[in-house]
Amino acid sequence: SAVISQKPSRDICQRGTSLTIQCQVDSQVTMMFWYRQQPGQSLTLIATANQGSEATYESGFVIDKFPISRPNLTFSTLTVSNMSPEDSSIYLCSVETPGRFFGPGTRLTVL
Amino acid sequence: TQLLEQSPQFLSIQEGENLTVYCNSSSVFSSLQWYRQEPGEGPVLLVTVVTGGEVKKLKRLTFQFGDARKDSSLHITAAQPGDTGLYLCAGINAGGTSYGKLTFGQGTILTVHP
Repeated sequence: SAVISQKPSRDICQRGTSLTIQCQVDSQVTMMFWYRQQPGQSLTLIATANQGSEATYESGFVIDKFPISRPNLTFSTLTVSNMSPEDSSIYLCSVETPGRFFGPGTRLTVL
Repeated sequence: TQLLEQSPQFLSIQEGENLTVYCNSSSVFSSLQWYRQEPGEGPVLLVTVVTGGEVKKLKRLTFQFGDARKDSSLHITAAQPGDTGLYLCAGINAGGTSYGKLTFGQGTILTVHP
């Protein structure tokens, strides 16, 4: 199993600014994922972040908008850059340990 | 692109009733997972079904994987208010460039009234 924490749990940001979301895991994991979710809806994969390699982004998501760091096997960050109201969403990190575990999410509101 | 159609999108029932949530696709998945998510939390894995035709039971929840590994269902017997939440199915891609990735259904918001 894995226990995942995310910071911040929620934030309200102004248009044009950037927010970095942190994901901390209580064990070493190779595969880490970042998802986006509208409340009560499905999850959309943003990117896969494996330690020691560049993040792999899904169609519709680019590194300039969502830069990801993966400095070690227990930590990752996702930055939402130059935010617009359309970026308002819940952002979740997830790991495969094996077994898939999700963090509690970061609820972002962009005004 | 593999898609999972989940239905119904919303389900509002009284305590004690039974319900079934469906997850269908035209694609084959190597396995399928069901998650439950409560507000302010991440999804929590309930079960993984791997073999075509497999049936797994978790207390009042029964999960079934279709023979062709393209569909699945979640049946809840005698629903309780504590079952309220967002239920998500997720298929694990069987091959190609997306091997091992999760494809999520649209989710079913279940509300069980006392």
